[in-house]
Amino acid sequence: RKEVEQDPGPFNVPEGATVAFNCTYSNSASQSFFWYRQDCRKEPKLLMSVYSSGNEDGRFTAQLNRASQYISLLIRDSKLSDSATYLCGDSSASKIIFGSGTRLSIRP
Amino acid sequence: DVKVTQSSRYLVKRTGEKVFLECVQDMDHENMFWYRQDPGLGLRLIYFSYDVKMKEKGDIPEGYSVSREKKERFSLILESASTNQTSMYLCASSQLTGDRFSYEQYFGPGTRLTVT
Repeated sequence: RKEVEQDPGPFNVPEGATVAFNCTYSNSASQSFFWYRQDCRKEPKLLMSVYSSGNEDGRFTAQLNRASQYISLLIRDSKLSDSATYLCGDSSASKIIFGSGTRLSIRP
Repeated sequence: DVKVTQSSRYLVKRTGEKVFLECVQDMDHENMFWYRQDPGLGLRLIYFSYDVKMKEKGDIPEGYSVSREKKERFSLILESASTNQTSMYLCASSQLTGDRFSYEQYFGPGTRLTVT
């Protein structure tokens, strides 16, 4: 089993919709988690850090479920500019283990 | 604002050449990382460093070496470039971390290396 797993997608949703995707992790001792956004041929940019049960920033909400070992990312009122690949990361000592990413495409 | 810069955005080298990729961060971060990213394989850690002159192997260190002589600079070296090292190389930095805790990493813009 991979340490961090994501559905590769693509998720194709209309503008204005709410979309959510999950990321499962295998290290039950993990203390911190991250969501990054990566545009095509660009570097990953930090979207959100999750150190406890969850985090919210505007239209974006991250939830941590320790019992089932997954973190989720919810995007409300999606915009065309939200189209990107979303990477989740699970901390492991001084490193982050990244998933392979979920592709999201928002259509007009 | 965190700034991580990489020496080149695009690089083309020949098989067998020695290649240097440079990364500089301006946030006084202790940790620095080198990844490569290939379609379908995600981000794979090559090497990381948590202090000057310290280095640790990541998941795929074969064919690479690193150097960290100054806190702000972390270099990735391909001793003898091969075609299977054609990839996007990303550098990142973060604050010093605890045993089971990691702070967020900030990435440079990447170097797209082609080995012919």
